[in-house]
Amino acid sequence: GAGVSQSPRYKVAKRGQDVALRCDPISGHVSLFWYQQALGQGPEFLTYFQNEAQLDKSGLPSDRFFAERPEGSVSTLKIQRTQQEDSAVYLCASTLTGLAGIETQYFGPGTRLLVL
Amino acid sequence: SQKIEQNSEALNIQEGKTATLTCNYTNYSPAYLQWYRQDPGRGPVFLLLIRENEKEKRKERLKVTFDTTLKQSLFHITASQPADSATYLCAPASPPSGGYNKLIFGAGTRLAVHP
Repeated sequence: GAGVSQSPRYKVAKRGQDVALRCDPISGHVSLFWYQQALGQGPEFLTYFQNEAQLDKSGLPSDRFFAERPEGSVSTLKIQRTQQEDSAVYLCASTLTGLAGIETQYFGPGTRLLVL
Repeated sequence: SQKIEQNSEALNIQEGKTATLTCNYTNYSPAYLQWYRQDPGRGPVFLLLIRENEKEKRKERLKVTFDTTLKQSLFHITASQPADSATYLCAPASPPSGGYNKLIFGAGTRLAVHP
């Protein structure tokens, strides 16, 4: 079946512009994560959804970052008034149940955001 | 705060040799540890998971060890091939009380296998 997909794959924004990044998780997956990956670094956690509920947004770097998953499937990460330090790859991952325990995370290809 | 360290330098090895990658962690007692592979322009792909009560885990040419005393995991690729060239990420984890699996990744080690 289809994996996690993300769009756009690349986004160039002018400083101050708002952007919206989309994630389509694997169908039926309960849990959805967003990560930010700077060049040469590992992914860093941003936020977590279980179905439509955002249970953890502790990793969002500022109130310019906002994520939603209104129907418990597709998720959107929005960045308002983008800054150059927002330039990174934004990764989305999903897992099947989201229950306590150990689950493999399935990652999308990421959206590479460049803020000029 | 929790700290995860992986070899920052790229690892260059000859085809057919064994590659060994290191993951050290501090201020942390993970219940398990995952290893992921990431190719340029792609998201990480899960490879192996090892639990704290397991010393060693194998999958085909891959082997992972987990030493909770040393706070270290070693990741081995035997009979390495150029196709193994990628960045390898370790992610120790302990599910929080809420139960979900928030991963904390190391910076990754880039492996280059030369023919």
